[in-house]
Amino acid sequence: QVQLEESGPGLVKPSETLSLTCTVSDGSVRSGSYYWTWIRQPPGKGLEWIGYVYYSGSTSYNPSLKSRVTMSVDTSKNLVSLRLSSVTAADTAIYYCARVLLDYGDPWLFDLWGRGTLVSVSS
Amino acid sequence: EVVLTQSPGTLSLSPGETATLSCRASQSVSSTYLAWYQQKPGQAPRLVIYSTSYRANGFPDRFGGSGSETDFTLTISRLEPEDFAVYYCQQYGTSPWTFGQGTRVEIK
Repeated sequence: QVQLEESGPGLVKPSETLSLTCTVSDGSVRSGSYYWTWIRQPPGKGLEWIGYVYYSGSTSYNPSLKSRVTMSVDTSKNLVSLRLSSVTAADTAIYYCARVLLDYGDPWLFDLWGRGTLVSVSS
Repeated sequence: EVVLTQSPGTLSLSPGETATLSCRASQSVSSTYLAWYQQKPGQAPRLVIYSTSYRANGFPDRFGGSGSETDFTLTISRLEPEDFAVYYCQQYGTSPWTFGQGTRVEIK
């Protein structure tokens, strides 16, 4: 069955760039049936949508993070990437990758989530 | 931005009772794009309900969703021990997609 696994550094220094990947196992990021989305959750707090990327490379980002976020798809490695620049302590969170099933091009349901990876921002 | 306000913040109930969780939107949300998630400690959120009232795989018919426009409800009947968790509503019809702050369903 398809699985998503987030990976990347668990510790990032303030002002640096957070880089994470989401590897898709037993499935293809090249499928036009999905958006690949990132969501984060500060420890003990609620969920925040960061944005999504489509296999074609088109993206949509949360305006609150848009100036610092870049998402991309690497079809050769079958993974999705997230970069968040100029991080501060407020970016400390569990970062989740999730798959959004599309229905005629519109988001229908978030049918698969990774287990998440904790990223701490500290010097 | 569509703000989703969930109430109550915490629901203290006994197994066998019924949980009624509310999600109120700051503006109208298409019922197609309203979902509920269950999250247990140390785990990723898990889809419970999508498109307001459709149950996701693995959830019994004790879980039901309803609502329209700005008022949505998740009802969990005959609470089982495994149902105690935090539940989030989410809208993904208007960008940015947003989540409610969560309702904790705890054992009384």
